[in-house]
Amino acid sequence: NAGVMQNPRHLVRRRGQEARLRCSPMKGHSHVYWYRQLPEEGLKFMVYLQKENIIDESGMPKERFSAEFPKEGPSILRIQQVVRGDSAAYFCASSPDRGGNTEAFFGQGTRLTVV
Amino acid sequence: GENVEQHPSTLSVQEGDSAVIKCTYSDSASNYFPWYKQELGKRPQLIIDIRSNVGEKKDQRIAVTLNKTAKHFSLHITETQPEDSAVYFCAAASNFNKFYFGSGTKLNVKP
Repeated sequence: NAGVMQNPRHLVRRRGQEARLRCSPMKGHSHVYWYRQLPEEGLKFMVYLQKENIIDESGMPKERFSAEFPKEGPSILRIQQVVRGDSAAYFCASSPDRGGNTEAFFGQGTRLTVV
Repeated sequence: GENVEQHPSTLSVQEGDSAVIKCTYSDSASNYFPWYKQELGKRPQLIIDIRSNVGEKKDQRIAVTLNKTAKHFSLHITETQPEDSAVYFCAAASNFNKFYFGSGTKLNVKP
């Protein structure tokens, strides 16, 4: 099991461009979470998805941000028209489809820099 | 929604001493409390977790305690070593698997 895979590890975008961050959960995991971490700060919840469904997006900014987790392929976090304040590390985590709470495993993160 | 507060934000101890990090939560429905360790530039990794039907759990030098009535839980690291230096995050989750994290504690173990 390769673990949670995120790519790219580093992404540089100019203001106004789009950023697409990918997350492949661990094999057998159907729950995916996205978190944003600003330098020297904690992990802020953004969105929780299960295959093809957004369960909770209460942490997502209302504009420019969207997330999906299609039936086939990785989960995508998409940021349109990026601004400097979007620069952060974006972590994805996944957990298995078992009853009750289970451990979430994190990917290595994507460090987005907006120039 | 859930609100998790974590203290202190920074903690400096001498090698061999103990370190204690405390968290409080607000949602009585939360029933799973993991602790993650994040080294600089790396992913958060689970070090220990506790569920609401247990008051204490220990794994070698690391222990976690949970007080459901007071809605607080703590991480205890004994005989600290320089490699314990990292940022530690507590989290709380309810049955819907949505994890709320504390703001983190930067632990510095001085040799």
